[in-house]
Amino acid sequence: LAKTTQPISMDSYEGQEVNITCSHNNIATNDYITWYQQFPSQGPRFIIQGYKTKVTNEVASLFIPADRKSSTLSLPRVSLSDTAVYYCLVGKTGFQKLVFGTGTRLLVSP
Amino acid sequence: NAGVTQTPKFQVLKTGQSMTLQCAQDMNHEYMSWYRQDPGMGLRLIHYSVGAGITDQGEVPNGYNVSRSTTEDFPLRLLSAAPSQTSVYFCASSYRAGQRNTEAFFGQGTRLTVV
Repeated sequence: LAKTTQPISMDSYEGQEVNITCSHNNIATNDYITWYQQFPSQGPRFIIQGYKTKVTNEVASLFIPADRKSSTLSLPRVSLSDTAVYYCLVGKTGFQKLVFGTGTRLLVSP
Repeated sequence: NAGVTQTPKFQVLKTGQSMTLQCAQDMNHEYMSWYRQDPGMGLRLIHYSVGAGITDQGEVPNGYNVSRSTTEDFPLRLLSAAPSQTSVYFCASSYRAGQRNTEAFFGQGTRLTVV
């Protein structure tokens, strides 16, 4: 499975847009990019998944350039409740062997 | 629809004791997995199953056993607990590859302390 690299932590304020970039230089042709969110004392929760270009849902957008060696999770207008750890994962869709890195710890302040 | 249910939520064991962490899902998912998460770390895969009767090892399988006799249940057994197994354990399930909605659903976790 492709290894991913993310910033260890990020700080933001309420109402701002937050962009978290993930590097995955060894991504395979049939790999998808998936982001999970984890709050303290809870299991990870799926946010968004994509293969190329742009994917948007009700909570986030995922931008993937043509070479697919990186991706950016965009959270519009964050609130205090978006404070969490965000994990970028790369692998085949529906894969049962998720490989988590240390993730990006996002702290949103008032 | 309860999703993925783990029991117990908290457990303290003495070194050498055995126990089983329970995991059940009601979404008819083929895939189920167990992960452990140590403080400040990401999740690491212990064992996984692609269907009833089929299990395989993940990244950190030593000290743990699993079985999958039904689609719904995937218990994790600690045969002889060690302090190094102090961690938070998460169970996850998902549909098999190639199906829609292949996101993984996680339970709330079991916080295990071995003294």
